[in-house]
Amino acid sequence: DIQMTQSPTSLSASVGDRVTIPCRASQSIGTYLNWYQQKPGRAPKLLIYTASGLQRGVPSRFSGSGSGTDFTLTISSLQREDFATYYCQQTFITPYTFGQGTKLE
Amino acid sequence: EVLLVESGGGWVQPGGSLKLSCATSGFTFSATTLHWVRQAPGKGLEWVGRIRSKANNYATDYAPSVKGRFTFSRDDSENTAYLQMNSLTTDDTAVYYCSRASGDHWGPGTLVTVSS
Repeated sequence: DIQMTQSPTSLSASVGDRVTIPCRASQSIGTYLNWYQQKPGRAPKLLIYTASGLQRGVPSRFSGSGSGTDFTLTISSLQREDFATYYCQQTFITPYTFGQGTKLE
Repeated sequence: EVLLVESGGGWVQPGGSLKLSCATSGFTFSATTLHWVRQAPGKGLEWVGRIRSKANNYATDYAPSVKGRFTFSRDDSENTAYLQMNSLTTDDTAVYYCSRASGDHWGPGTLVTVSS
């Protein structure tokens, strides 16, 4: 199985900061990588698909980059509503594993 | 409007069984692969598996942790997917979500608690 590693699992930031959240795959997955945002008690919300595609309705301050094994989610200017947990997920091969999540605090 | 709603969660003893439903509307269910994802209390997301469409022979894939115990099915006439869970253990305690393959729409989840 492909292992997805998100480190750190928590990140301290302030409103207005530029934030980058890394995700690493244990083997090459091309660009088969999604990013989700989850808030407590809510279902995950798709932000980025195929590594860099911005999901409709998601603010443009969110962007994704990377290919192969290393990926990054960037929030250009952190807003109050962005404090949440962010997960990467590979969709290259089943099982479609998630990273452990990075909590923005 | 695309909607997915899970139901059937609840409390069950270890070794027991439970069947979850994922009722959908607002899209062409019969042409869509459905995924199941779970989240144990205070933990991260875990992909449980998927059931593909009739065009893909209703093929299924399972996470190693549930293979042989969980079974996916679907009723395209009812726009509903199902997750049959057998031989449940305390490690299966989680909120269970269904989602479209594209990941753009999820249900609100249903809580399954396995406890004696």
